[in-house]
Amino acid sequence: EAQVTQNPRYLITVTGKKLTVTCSQNMNHEYMSWYRQDPGLGLRQIYYSMNVEVTDKGDVPEGYKVSRKEKRNFPLILESPSPNQTSLYFCASALGRADNEQFFGPGTRLTVL
Amino acid sequence: QKEVEQNSGPLSVPEGAIASLNCTYSDRGSQSFFWYRQYSGKSPELIMSIYSNGDKEDGRFTAQLNKASQYVSLLIRDSQPSDSATYLCAVRFTGGGNKLTFGTGTQLKVEL
Repeated sequence: EAQVTQNPRYLITVTGKKLTVTCSQNMNHEYMSWYRQDPGLGLRQIYYSMNVEVTDKGDVPEGYKVSRKEKRNFPLILESPSPNQTSLYFCASALGRADNEQFFGPGTRLTVL
Repeated sequence: QKEVEQNSGPLSVPEGAIASLNCTYSDRGSQSFFWYRQYSGKSPELIMSIYSNGDKEDGRFTAQLNKASQYVSLLIRDSQPSDSATYLCAVRFTGGGNKLTFGTGTQLKVEL
């Protein structure tokens, strides 16, 4: 089954404790992206990647890091999480570029205390 | 800052009616426009994409684009309770890199 998977699905952590949210897709897509979704603010892009070793900032990259060492994986790293990073996070992938259909993962709900 | 604006709703329509969802965007030169649907507690999924002025129909859904007025709309004919969801408008802005900017979404409720 073609899909985007994220782990963990739910995470409660404390301020300053480094964490990684994994994202993997099995569709051989070049394009991958991370979004956060907050009430009243909608879906905002954090980082995206056009291919292996090619990443670029989205609209809200502060406090996040990403890497793309393999085509299928695109982990999101919070090196020192803060409460304002409490959010619902989605990973997405697409064939080639952003304006092809983006397939979203199930989401990761993160709470930073 | 390039923006995509939507009325948050909720927009309530009776079953069988036409639901009309609207979206405006800030950059007249933008080329790519999308409607994603998001059920409560689920992830977004693409419904329609439109790239040129005019209407594009797919089943009960019609996307309409007017670049001069900088708006894109989504019409849902014969609305069903299963259409109740939040509808997200997304735009790929010219010169904005390979990324989409989403609106905050319009919640649609189709009532029996």
